[in-house]
Amino acid sequence: DAGVTQSPTHLIKTRGQQVTLRCSPKSGHDTVSWYQQALGQGPQFIFQYYEEEERQRGNFPDRFSGHQFPNYSSELNVNALLLGDSALYLCASRGSGQPFYEQYFGPGTRLTVT
Amino acid sequence: AQTVTQSQPEMSVQEAETVTLSCTYDTSESDYYLFWYKQPPSRQMILVIRQEAYKQQNATENRFSVNFQKAAKSFSLKISDSQLGDAAMYFCAYRSFTGNQFYFGTGTSLTVIP
Repeated sequence: DAGVTQSPTHLIKTRGQQVTLRCSPKSGHDTVSWYQQALGQGPQFIFQYYEEEERQRGNFPDRFSGHQFPNYSSELNVNALLLGDSALYLCASRGSGQPFYEQYFGPGTRLTVT
Repeated sequence: AQTVTQSQPEMSVQEAETVTLSCTYDTSESDYYLFWYKQPPSRQMILVIRQEAYKQQNATENRFSVNFQKAAKSFSLKISDSQLGDAAMYFCAYRSFTGNQFYFGTGTSLTVIP
């Protein structure tokens, strides 16, 4: 079992550009959450996807959008990048039939905006 | 919104000794869950221990135990017989009983001295 995988591992973008990050959940998991972890901070909840719908959203602007595919994988899109978007982006997955605390995190994507 | 505070940015402990990491939180809810997560240099967040607010008994997982003081809104983590592999960032997190969002503190960096 590969666990939660994220791609790419690192990327560098320029202010104003758009970026897409990808997450493949652990086998058997159908719920995906995204978090932003700025340097020296704890993760902040961006949103959660289940059955291809955004189920809950944290306090993030509309520049942050997502998508979940029929195979449960997910994408996080960020438009009009700002320097402040530089962070580690974490994906977490769990099975809807499992306890919510049994969520598994991926290793993250380190985004640097210059 | 709920807030989670970790007032110890860094802690150190001698190998085989005991260390306690502090966490306080603010909420108006009566039912919720609290967690400690570990984030090693590999960046992958791992659940260490959880506590349901309705349970008076403090949770224990092998060398890890918590001191949950609901009235004081305090949730500390005790690591006994510290091992080199315990070195990591530790995050305290809160989740309400009904929501999907986790709220994380800013973390405590734990160093284990051989």
